Amino acid sequence: EAGVTQFPSHSVIEKGQTVTLRCDPISGHDNLYWYRRVMGKEIKFLLHFVKESKQDESGMPNNRFLAERTGGTYSTLKVQPAELEDSGVYFCASSQGGTAAWGIQYFGAGTRLSVL
Amino acid sequence: AQSVTQLDSHVSVSEGTPVLLRCNYSSSYSPSLFWYVQHPNKGLQLLLKYTSAATLVKGINGFEAEFKKSETSFHLTKPSAHMSDAAEYFCVGYPTGGFKTIFGAGTRLFVKA
Repeated sequence: EAGVTQFPSHSVIEKGQTVTLRCDPISGHDNLYWYRRVMGKEIKFLLHFVKESKQDESGMPNNRFLAERTGGTYSTLKVQPAELEDSGVYFCASSQGGTAAWGIQYFGAGTRLSVL
Repeated sequence: AQSVTQLDSHVSVSEGTPVLLRCNYSSSYSPSLFWYVQHPNKGLQLLLKYTSAATLVKGINGFEAEFKKSETSFHLTKPSAHMSDAAEYFCVGYPTGGFKTIFGAGTRLFVKA
């Protein structure tokens, strides 16, 4: 079974540019999460999808960030325009629905974003 | 505010000696607590989870954690460290009925030969 896949693994862009990160969850996982870890800080929740619907986007930093999950499969996270403070590692995770699997998330290896 | 606190940013042990990674949580939780491990350039991997069925939880690779409500703690232990245990460990919690995952700051474990 394929795990959670994220790409690119690294992205280096200049301030003001646009970057789109992609996450392919495990097939059949309805829940998809985005997280960010800024250097030296803890991993922070950004948002949670259930299928194609945003269940909770309270962690999104501002309106420069836009997440989508078309058709309830893969998800993209776009940053436009990027700022220096957006640098960090962006993680995606997915999980099944249901009680037994509740809370168990499968993580991708992350995308390291550097904004210069 | 709900929080998860990992008390040590770095822990260094010798191979074959016990491992203790400490985690406290805020008491307002009806806690679901997890430990995850991240090896370099890999995604986080679940070690174990506590969801109130038993206070002592056994996980993969010989790790276990004990939930102590009186101390609001969920420390991770392993009797004998192996070189392959060197990684970063995260204590993770969920608020009651929610999915807004809350991470501790992480503890980096070093294992000396």
